[in-house]
Amino acid sequence: DSGVTQTPKHLITATGQRVTLRCSPRSGDLSVYWYQQSLDQGLQFLIQYYNGEERAKGNILERFSAQQFPDLHSELNLSSLELGDSALYFCASSVVSGGQSFFGPGTRLTVL
Amino acid sequence: EDKVVQSPLSLVVHEGDTVTLNCSYEVTNFRSLLWYKQEKKAPTFLFMLTSSGIEKKSGRLSSILDKKELFSILNITATQTGDSAVYLCAVVVAGGSYIPTFGRGTSLIVHP
Repeated sequence: DSGVTQTPKHLITATGQRVTLRCSPRSGDLSVYWYQQSLDQGLQFLIQYYNGEERAKGNILERFSAQQFPDLHSELNLSSLELGDSALYFCASSVVSGGQSFFGPGTRLTVL
Repeated sequence: EDKVVQSPLSLVVHEGDTVTLNCSYEVTNFRSLLWYKQEKKAPTFLFMLTSSGIEKKSGRLSSILDKKELFSILNITATQTGDSAVYLCAVVVAGGSYIPTFGRGTSLIVHP
Protein backbone atom coordinates (compact mmCIF):
# COMPACT_ATOMS: atom_id res chain seq x y z
CA ASP A 1 0.00 0.00 0.00
CA SER A 2 1.61 3.22 -1.21
CA GLY A 3 -0.51 5.52 0.95
CA VAL A 4 -2.05 7.16 -2.13
CA THR A 5 -5.76 6.52 -2.51
CA GLN A 6 -7.90 6.84 -5.59
CA THR A 7 -11.63 6.55 -6.08
CA PRO A 8 -13.47 5.02 -7.73
CA LYS A 9 -11.58 1.87 -8.69
CA HIS A 10 -13.71 1.28 -11.75
CA LEU A 11 -15.96 3.55 -13.76
CA ILE A 12 -18.10 2.61 -16.71
CA THR A 13 -19.84 5.38 -18.57
CA ALA A 14 -21.09 6.39 -21.99
CA THR A 15 -19.64 8.63 -24.65
CA GLY A 16 -20.38 12.30 -24.11
CA GLN A 17 -20.57 11.99 -20.35
CA ARG A 18 -18.48 13.69 -17.69
CA VAL A 19 -16.70 11.97 -14.78
CA THR A 20 -14.58 13.01 -11.82
CA LEU A 21 -11.69 10.97 -10.49
CA ARG A 22 -10.42 11.62 -7.00
CA CYS A 23 -6.99 11.24 -5.46
CA SER A 24 -5.67 11.66 -1.93
CA PRO A 25 -1.87 11.89 -1.76
CA ARG A 26 0.33 10.39 0.92
CA SER A 27 0.40 12.36 4.13
CA GLY A 28 2.95 15.14 3.79
CA ASP A 29 3.27 14.96 -0.01
CA LEU A 30 2.62 18.30 -1.64
CA SER A 31 3.02 17.23 -5.26
CA VAL A 32 0.31 15.33 -7.14
CA TYR A 33 0.67 13.97 -10.66
CA TRP A 34 -1.99 12.53 -12.94
CA TYR A 35 -1.13 9.93 -15.57
CA GLN A 36 -3.09 8.09 -18.21
CA GLN A 37 -2.07 4.56 -19.15
CA SER A 38 -3.47 2.82 -22.20
CA LEU A 39 -2.21 -0.28 -23.98
CA ASP A 40 -0.98 1.58 -27.04
CA GLN A 41 0.40 4.71 -25.35
CA GLY A 42 2.11 3.56 -22.19
CA LEU A 43 2.18 5.84 -19.16
CA GLN A 44 1.48 9.41 -20.24
CA PHE A 45 1.86 12.39 -17.92
CA LEU A 46 -1.21 14.61 -17.85
CA ILE A 47 -0.77 17.31 -15.22
CA GLN A 48 0.98 18.13 -11.95
CA TYR A 49 -0.13 20.19 -8.98
CA TYR A 50 2.10 21.36 -6.18
CA ASN A 51 0.59 22.67 -2.97
CA GLY A 52 -2.62 23.73 -4.68
CA GLU A 53 -1.11 25.29 -7.79
CA GLU A 54 -0.75 23.87 -11.25
CA ARG A 55 2.95 23.20 -11.81
CA ALA A 56 3.21 21.42 -15.14
CA LYS A 57 1.05 20.25 -18.01
CA GLY A 58 1.68 17.30 -20.25
CA ASN A 59 -0.44 15.73 -22.93
CA ILE A 60 -3.71 16.74 -21.34
CA LEU A 61 -6.70 17.30 -23.62
CA GLU A 62 -8.74 20.48 -23.32
CA ARG A 63 -11.72 18.31 -22.33
CA PHE A 64 -9.79 17.32 -19.22
CA SER A 65 -9.12 19.52 -16.22
CA ALA A 66 -7.84 19.06 -12.72
CA GLN A 67 -7.50 20.88 -9.45
CA GLN A 68 -5.87 20.41 -6.07
CA PHE A 69 -7.77 21.50 -2.99
CA PRO A 70 -6.47 23.08 0.25
CA ASP A 71 -6.42 19.67 1.93
CA LEU A 72 -4.17 18.55 -0.97
CA HIS A 73 -6.54 16.02 -2.45
CA SER A 74 -6.92 16.33 -6.19
CA GLU A 75 -9.64 15.72 -8.73
CA LEU A 76 -9.35 15.01 -12.43
CA ASN A 77 -12.41 15.95 -14.46
CA LEU A 78 -12.95 14.31 -17.83
CA SER A 79 -15.76 15.64 -20.01
CA SER A 80 -17.32 14.90 -23.41
CA LEU A 81 -15.90 11.43 -23.06
CA GLU A 82 -14.86 9.48 -26.13
CA LEU A 83 -14.18 5.78 -26.61
CA GLY A 84 -10.47 6.55 -26.79
CA ASP A 85 -10.50 7.94 -23.26
CA SER A 86 -10.88 4.41 -21.91
CA ALA A 87 -7.72 3.81 -19.91
CA LEU A 88 -6.22 3.45 -16.46
CA TYR A 89 -5.80 6.80 -14.73
CA PHE A 90 -3.14 6.96 -12.05
CA CYS A 91 -2.46 9.56 -9.48
CA ALA A 92 0.99 9.73 -7.91
CA SER A 93 2.39 11.89 -5.16
CA SER A 94 5.81 12.93 -3.98
CA VAL A 95 7.28 15.19 -1.35
CA VAL A 96 9.08 17.28 -3.95
CA SER A 97 8.99 17.40 -7.72
CA GLY A 98 11.18 14.86 -9.50
CA GLY A 99 11.73 12.63 -6.54
CA GLN A 100 10.45 9.17 -5.89
CA SER A 101 6.76 9.09 -6.70
CA PHE A 102 4.22 6.85 -5.02
CA PHE A 103 1.39 5.69 -7.23
CA GLY A 104 -2.21 5.12 -6.27
CA PRO A 105 -4.04 1.94 -7.34
CA GLY A 106 -5.58 3.67 -10.34
CA THR A 107 -9.08 4.18 -11.70
CA ARG A 108 -10.04 2.06 -14.67
CA LEU A 109 -12.31 4.09 -16.92
CA THR A 110 -14.34 2.35 -19.58
CA VAL A 111 -16.26 4.49 -22.04
CA LEU A 112 -18.94 2.60 -23.97
CA GLU B 1 11.90 16.10 -27.27
CA ASP B 2 12.98 13.87 -24.38
CA LYS B 3 13.06 10.20 -25.26
CA VAL B 4 13.26 7.03 -23.15
CA VAL B 5 13.54 3.67 -24.90
CA GLN B 6 13.36 0.33 -23.14
CA SER B 7 14.41 -3.00 -24.53
CA PRO B 8 13.45 -5.69 -24.99
CA LEU B 9 9.72 -5.01 -25.15
CA SER B 10 9.02 -8.43 -23.71
CA LEU B 11 10.96 -11.31 -22.27
CA VAL B 12 9.96 -14.85 -21.32
CA VAL B 13 12.31 -16.83 -19.07
CA HIS B 14 12.26 -19.75 -16.64
CA GLU B 15 12.66 -19.56 -12.91
CA GLY B 16 16.30 -19.31 -11.93
CA ASP B 17 17.37 -17.43 -15.05
CA THR B 18 19.12 -14.06 -14.87
CA VAL B 19 17.70 -11.20 -16.92
CA THR B 20 19.00 -7.80 -17.95
CA LEU B 21 16.59 -5.04 -18.88
CA ASN B 22 17.80 -1.97 -20.75
CA CYS B 23 16.80 1.66 -20.67
CA SER B 24 18.41 4.23 -22.95
CA TYR B 25 17.58 7.90 -23.00
CA GLU B 26 18.06 11.08 -24.96
CA VAL B 27 17.29 14.07 -22.78
CA THR B 28 18.71 17.48 -22.13
CA ASN B 29 19.85 18.24 -18.63
CA PHE B 30 19.53 14.81 -17.01
CA ARG B 31 18.72 14.76 -13.30
CA SER B 32 17.80 11.19 -12.34
CA LEU B 33 16.58 7.85 -13.65
CA LEU B 34 13.90 5.84 -11.89
CA TRP B 35 12.92 2.18 -12.18
CA TYR B 36 9.44 0.95 -11.31
CA LYS B 37 7.82 -2.48 -11.24
CA GLN B 38 4.20 -2.69 -12.37
CA GLU B 39 2.26 -5.84 -11.69
CA LYS B 40 -1.46 -5.79 -12.18
CA LYS B 41 -1.99 -2.38 -10.73
CA ALA B 42 0.11 0.61 -9.73
CA PRO B 43 3.82 0.98 -10.44
CA THR B 44 5.94 0.49 -7.35
CA PHE B 45 9.28 2.22 -6.94
CA LEU B 46 12.47 0.16 -7.23
CA PHE B 47 15.48 2.44 -7.64
CA MET B 48 16.50 6.02 -8.26
CA LEU B 49 19.88 6.56 -9.93
CA THR B 50 21.67 9.86 -10.24
CA SER B 51 25.38 9.02 -10.47
CA SER B 52 27.24 6.94 -13.02
CA GLY B 53 28.81 3.67 -12.03
CA ILE B 54 27.25 3.33 -8.60
CA GLU B 55 25.23 0.15 -8.34
CA LYS B 56 21.98 0.19 -6.44
CA LYS B 57 20.99 -3.19 -5.04
CA SER B 58 17.93 -4.65 -3.39
CA GLY B 59 17.92 -8.40 -2.89
CA ARG B 60 18.12 -10.06 -6.29
CA LEU B 61 17.60 -6.79 -8.16
CA SER B 62 20.35 -4.37 -9.03
CA SER B 63 20.69 -1.38 -11.31
CA ILE B 64 23.44 0.82 -12.64
CA LEU B 65 23.58 4.01 -14.65
CA ASP B 66 26.01 5.07 -17.38
CA LYS B 67 25.66 8.81 -17.93
CA LYS B 68 28.29 8.86 -20.65
CA GLU B 69 26.57 6.27 -22.81
CA LEU B 70 23.10 7.40 -21.66
CA PHE B 71 21.65 4.14 -20.45
CA SER B 72 20.78 2.12 -17.41
CA ILE B 73 20.34 -1.60 -16.85
CA LEU B 74 18.21 -3.47 -14.37
CA ASN B 75 19.44 -6.95 -13.48
CA ILE B 76 17.35 -9.62 -11.85
CA THR B 77 19.17 -12.76 -10.76
CA ALA B 78 17.61 -16.13 -9.89
CA THR B 79 14.25 -15.00 -11.23
CA GLN B 80 11.05 -16.15 -9.57
CA THR B 81 7.46 -16.24 -10.85
CA GLY B 82 6.75 -13.26 -8.60
CA ASP B 83 9.12 -11.18 -10.71
CA SER B 84 6.64 -11.36 -13.59
CA ALA B 85 5.64 -7.76 -14.24
CA VAL B 86 6.18 -4.79 -16.50
CA TYR B 87 9.34 -2.89 -15.60
CA LEU B 88 9.21 0.82 -16.29
CA CYS B 89 12.09 3.21 -16.62
CA ALA B 90 11.60 6.97 -16.24
CA VAL B 91 13.99 9.88 -16.66
CA VAL B 92 13.72 13.21 -14.86
CA VAL B 93 15.33 16.30 -16.32
CA ALA B 94 16.55 19.22 -14.24
CA GLY B 95 15.08 22.68 -14.55
CA GLY B 96 11.38 23.32 -14.79
CA SER B 97 8.99 20.91 -13.21
CA TYR B 98 11.02 17.68 -12.93
CA ILE B 99 8.34 15.56 -14.56
CA PRO B 100 9.40 11.94 -15.22
CA THR B 101 9.27 10.79 -18.84
CA PHE B 102 8.44 7.08 -18.91
CA GLY B 103 9.53 4.44 -21.36
CA ARG B 104 7.02 1.92 -22.72
CA GLY B 105 8.26 -0.76 -20.34
CA THR B 106 9.59 -4.30 -20.61
CA SER B 107 7.12 -7.09 -19.95
CA LEU B 108 8.82 -9.93 -18.10
CA ILE B 109 7.17 -13.33 -17.77
CA VAL B 110 8.85 -15.91 -15.56
CA HIS B 111 7.65 -19.49 -16.02
CA PRO B 112 8.01 -22.05 -13.23
